[in-house]
Amino acid sequence: QQQVKQSPQSLIVQKGGIPIINCAYENTAFDYFPWYQQFPGKGPALLIAIRPDVSEKKEGRFTISFNKSAKQFSLHIMDSQPGDSATYFCAAAAGAGSYQLTFGKGTKLSVIP
Amino acid sequence: DAGVIQSPRHEVTEMGQEVTLRCKPISGHNSLFWYRQTMMRGLELLIYFNNNVPIDDSGMPEDRFSAKMPNASFSTLKIQPSEPRDSAVYFCASTELAGTPREQYFGPGTRLTVT
Repeated sequence: QQQVKQSPQSLIVQKGGIPIINCAYENTAFDYFPWYQQFPGKGPALLIAIRPDVSEKKEGRFTISFNKSAKQFSLHIMDSQPGDSATYFCAAAAGAGSYQLTFGKGTKLSVIP
Repeated sequence: DAGVIQSPRHEVTEMGQEVTLRCKPISGHNSLFWYRQTMMRGLELLIYFNNNVPIDDSGMPEDRFSAKMPNASFSTLKIQPSEPRDSAVYFCASTELAGTPREQYFGPGTRLTVT
């Protein structure tokens, strides 16, 4: 019940395309859903996060869509660039004061020129 | 701010040897996490501390693994004895306790290879 399932495992898009990464969860107590971005040789870094009281959040070219009833959320990258090539992790945490994140397995994105 | 500092960045050791990984969290952060990353299992939480106290160590794979946080600015993850299956990248992350989940800041990781 603590799992977060992420798909696809890898994704290749052309520059300018809109890659979409999906995550699903079972634990209805989850109430914080961040996305982390990791470049090779680096630690993950927070990209964008959402709480279940909104259905969408945008920050620059990155958008999270959240479907509470389906227990799914997704990351969309608009006008993708080669510099967006990285591994993306979705995560979830439960309850105010909970700092323990459950991570998805990650999606390796390659944006080709 | 220097960010989360981990050392060493790379460690190569032989099976059976003791390995100690070190972490210095961001100053002022009072929650610290140790993760292990592998291709097969992804990013796994091993243990985390709040105010230097271990809160959840259910992710620690075996008794061979131990972690300490003697003060707010230093933590260690020890593996004794090490095995080839312990080969992975180990990350330390820190955050500020403030009532709601906050961004975790990750260090650059320690790549451990056990031969």
